[in-house]
Amino acid sequence: DIQMTQSPSSLSASEGDRVSITCRASQSIGDFLNWYRQKPGKAPDLLIYGSYILQSGVPSRFIGSRSGTEFTLTINGLQPEDYATYYCQKSDSAPLLFGGGTRVEI
Amino acid sequence: EVQVVESGGQLVQRGGSLRLSCVASDFIFRTYGMDWVRQAPGKGPEWISYISSGGSAIYYADSVKGRFTISRDDGTDSLFLQMNSLRADDTAVYYCARDKSPSRPYGLDVWGQGTTVTVSS
Repeated sequence: DIQMTQSPSSLSASEGDRVSITCRASQSIGDFLNWYRQKPGKAPDLLIYGSYILQSGVPSRFIGSRSGTEFTLTINGLQPEDYATYYCQKSDSAPLLFGGGTRVEI
Repeated sequence: EVQVVESGGQLVQRGGSLRLSCVASDFIFRTYGMDWVRQAPGKGPEWISYISSGGSAIYYADSVKGRFTISRDDGTDSLFLQMNSLRADDTAVYYCARDKSPSRPYGLDVWGQGTTVTVSS
């Protein structure tokens, strides 16, 4: 089975910082990778799908990229509402596995 | 407003059964695939099932295969999850979510607020 390894598990950053989160698939999944942001007590929100595609309504400071089986979510200019936990999710085929999550803290 | 609303979560004994429901509004439900995702306390989300538009394609996570059944009623814009042989590790918040693909699980762009299932041992 494909494994999704997300790093780091947590990070500290200040408002306005550029932040990067990485997700690595154990084998090729093409561009089939989604990113979500989850605020405490809420459901996840889709940010990026298909590795690069910004979900409608999501600010352009969120950027997805891919190099082989390594995927990166970059947040340019961290905002107060971005302090949350981020998850990657593979979407090439079922099961749609989530990564372990990255908690972004002040 | 495009939304999905879950219901049916409650405290249930180990080995028991429960049926979760999800009602969609303000989108053409029958044209979308739908998913169930759960999240145990303090853990990350776990995708558990998908049903395609029309119901011809169904997928399950190994952790629920053979115990849970996903279904839909396009006449009432409703999604269901029948859960049998419940175990303590099924305790979680269960989310209904709309999928961006009508034919296979792809990405979840509309989520409900979740319904809580607690399995007591």
